[in-house]
Amino acid sequence: DVKVTQSSRYLVKRTGEKVFLECVQDMDHENMFWYRQDPGLGLRLIYFSYDVKMKEKGDIPEGYSVSREKKERFSLILESASTNQTSMYLCASSLGTGGASKDTEAFFGQGTRLTVV
Amino acid sequence: RKEVEQDPGPFNVPEGATVAFNCTYSNSASQSFFWYRQDCRKEPKLLMSVYSSGNEDGRFTAQLNRASQYISLLIRDSKLSDSATYLCVVNSRSGAGSYQLTFGKGTKLSVIP
Repeated sequence: DVKVTQSSRYLVKRTGEKVFLECVQDMDHENMFWYRQDPGLGLRLIYFSYDVKMKEKGDIPEGYSVSREKKERFSLILESASTNQTSMYLCASSLGTGGASKDTEAFFGQGTRLTVV
Repeated sequence: RKEVEQDPGPFNVPEGATVAFNCTYSNSASQSFFWYRQDCRKEPKLLMSVYSSGNEDGRFTAQLNRASQYISLLIRDSKLSDSATYLCVVNSRSGAGSYQLTFGKGTKLSVIP
């Protein structure tokens, strides 16, 4: 079974702090994703990475950055946390991204509920 | 037009009922389609994949209509444990040329005893 592990289930941080959310997958997947999920807005893609050291902006990258130094690990960084970044953050991974194939199925971590006060 | 659109519900159905959800997508070049299930305060989990016209797994049937750009999910003989939010997910090429999964906002189902 694919396992995607996020470092924390719950985090509380202060406005202005630099926040690191870590995600590790154990299935040698090429692609990793960071989403945030808010009531009424669904899942929105922040950033994704299709290879080590490669990254691409999603729909809402402002206020975030990412790092992928190793294939299994994808970090989301909030440079200066703000209250509007209070959300559920979900990391996902998949083997491939394109075409009509099973490889494009995404597997999710358990989520990190971040509160910025 | 939203990229992936679902009726948010809630759908409140009695045990044993058959319920169907529809989802429409805007990108005609989309190639992979999925239904995910998400329980309250949990992560989404893959329920079914749809690559051709349809897929069936026990009580669950997913169908794809490329001409009309919609996907459906049919649940027969609903169980209390089917209560969850069902997310429609579409894999499409982004403007930058890479592929992205785009999620609908989900349809909430409550199965009532």
